[in-house]
Amino acid sequence: DTGVSQNPRHKITKRGQNVTFRCDPISEHNRLYWYRQTLGQGPEFLTYFQNEAQLEKSRLLSDRFSAERPKGSFSTLEIQRTEQGDSAMYLCASSSTGASSTDTQYFGPGTRLTVL
Amino acid sequence: AQSVTQLGSHVSVSEGALVLLRCNYSSSVPPYLFWYVQYPNQGLQLLLKYTSAATLVKGINGFEAEFKKSETSFHLTKPSAHMSDAAEYFCAVRGTSYGKLTFGQGTILTVHP
Repeated sequence: DTGVSQNPRHKITKRGQNVTFRCDPISEHNRLYWYRQTLGQGPEFLTYFQNEAQLEKSRLLSDRFSAERPKGSFSTLEIQRTEQGDSAMYLCASSSTGASSTDTQYFGPGTRLTVL
Repeated sequence: AQSVTQLGSHVSVSEGALVLLRCNYSSSVPPYLFWYVQYPNQGLQLLLKYTSAATLVKGINGFEAEFKKSETSFHLTKPSAHMSDAAEYFCAVRGTSYGKLTFGQGTILTVHP
């Protein structure tokens, strides 16, 4: 068990560019969550998957944001036409729906995005 | 809908003193409650969770929290602070056994020698 990993850890981009982040969950975890955390705030929910199905999306997830989990393993979060307001830490978490599970979410180290 | 209020964005204690971080929740259904800790430039680590079993929950690193329905509270305590406890702490709530967490704004704990 190597934990949840996220790449890259840091991303600096210019306004208007597209960026893509990757999350690799704990192996065999079937749920995967994306959150966004801005400075001085708690994480805010963006979206989550069970296997490859995207089950819920927050209204925070504008049409510039898209998330995928094509094979039910890793996930990508893409932001198109980035804006300075997109600057934040993007956190990924995974959990298991096994019989003894209480859907405890384990978080990765995050990807810090800076939009210039 | 669920929400969380963490009273006090900054708490400062001396090493060896009691740590008390306050969390009040709002939920229309019996809640699931969590405390996470975040060290600088890192993700969140689960400290403890309440899932409708015992109201006093013990977690890692000597932390514990008590669920009080009448007060809609889930305060985090530790009898004796250690320098390594300095971090930001988040309380979170969920209204179902799975799904998204709703976090409070966090409390930064500073521990003085």
